[in-house]
Amino acid sequence: AQSVTQLGSHVSVSEGALVLLRCNYSSSVPPYLFWYVQYPNQGLQLLLKYTSAATLVKGINGFEAEFKKSETSFHLTKPSAHMSDAAEYFCAVNERGSQGNLIFGKGTKLSVKP
Amino acid sequence: DVKVTQSSRYLVKRTGEKVFLECVQDMDHENMFWYRQDPGLGLRLIYFSYDVKMKEKGDIPEGYSVSREKKERFSLILESASTNQTSMYLCASSGLTGLTEAFFGQGTRLTVV
Repeated sequence: AQSVTQLGSHVSVSEGALVLLRCNYSSSVPPYLFWYVQYPNQGLQLLLKYTSAATLVKGINGFEAEFKKSETSFHLTKPSAHMSDAAEYFCAVNERGSQGNLIFGKGTKLSVKP
Repeated sequence: DVKVTQSSRYLVKRTGEKVFLECVQDMDHENMFWYRQDPGLGLRLIYFSYDVKMKEKGDIPEGYSVSREKKERFSLILESASTNQTSMYLCASSGLTGLTEAFFGQGTRLTVV
């Protein structure tokens, strides 16, 4: 079965530093890949998605992610962290040909220090 | 603006009560989902539906049932609430294929006492 691994349940960075959140998937066939963000007491909001067009995907709020088939990875980055980026981030996959039920990683909580 | 609306943000129920969580979407989406979110466990799929009156079990369906009588509405039912069902419940909807992203409601934080 498809699975998603997010390395690090908590990541802490200083304001202005690079943000790197890691995501690896298990499928041998590249799936559709998504990053979602969740602010406290909110639902999930889509940051970006990969659907087999460009391997470098740009999303909202300055985030981007690169699909690397050889590494089965889809890591999320942002060059310069803002305090407002503090949230929980979830990586998710959809199998190609599936009916659309997302499989989520366990999430990474990002803290940003002043 | 696309919207998935959950009927309650916060609920407190007693053990043994029958609990209904309601979700409505206005995007004419075929798929609707109920997830449960617990710290350290991420989001786990309880049930999903890809058409009216159709439902599929997810990873943790025990103790839950669902109802989808209309395309826009998907209800989660806790037949007899227990304290281990205290959690955040998230409803989502999406188009028919895996290509489309899911849109989420604001969540319902349920406490069973």
